Amino acid sequence: GESVGLHLPTLSVQEGDNSIINCAYSNSASDYFIWYKQESGKGPQFIIDIRSNMDKRQGQRVTVLLNKTVKHLSLQIAATQPGDSAVYFCAENPPGGTSYGKLTFGQGTILTVHP
Amino acid sequence: EPEVTQTPSHQVTQMGQEVILRCVPISNHLYFYWYRQILGQKVEFLVSFYNNEISEKSEIFDDQFSVERPDGSNFTLKIRSTKLEDSAMYFCASRVRVLEKLFFGSGTQLSVL
Repeated sequence: GESVGLHLPTLSVQEGDNSIINCAYSNSASDYFIWYKQESGKGPQFIIDIRSNMDKRQGQRVTVLLNKTVKHLSLQIAATQPGDSAVYFCAENPPGGTSYGKLTFGQGTILTVHP
Repeated sequence: EPEVTQTPSHQVTQMGQEVILRCVPISNHLYFYWYRQILGQKVEFLVSFYNNEISEKSEIFDDQFSVERPDGSNFTLKIRSTKLEDSAMYFCASRVRVLEKLFFGSGTQLSVL
């Protein structure tokens, strides 16, 4: 069946360090992946996305890497700041017609940034 | 940046009562969704809505659930007879088109007593 999982449930880093959050997905046919950040009491906030025809995509301080061979997704945050502390979810979007938008979310990784 | 707006932020109801959760998607968006998150669990897909009809629904979205876009701006989720296990955070989401950013609202925390 479809599932998206995270290797590490918690990650603690020092301010200024780089953070790497990992995600494994099981549906090899998924062609679109998204990272979301969720702060307490708020909805998931879009961070960055990547389509399966790409290996890497960069945003502001964030980079997503996609390794389709091992079905692995990672989110790299450069110069992590206390404001980055949140739960981070990866999500996959299986292909085909009406399945677009039916995101399958991972369990989430709690990122804690210490000043 | 435009936002998806959800009301109320908290809803407490008695088991067996009907509840309506309200959402105002971003104005130029065409695809609308409801997700939910039970405390400590993953965010789960409930239903997608496009062109004034349901395009897909999950096993969770049974006959007790319905969605409506009554006036071109609001998007509502109705639970006809709430159960204890319906207690969760319900998120509305919208996007312009497929394979585009999916924007989420801040959620409605539903507590069924």
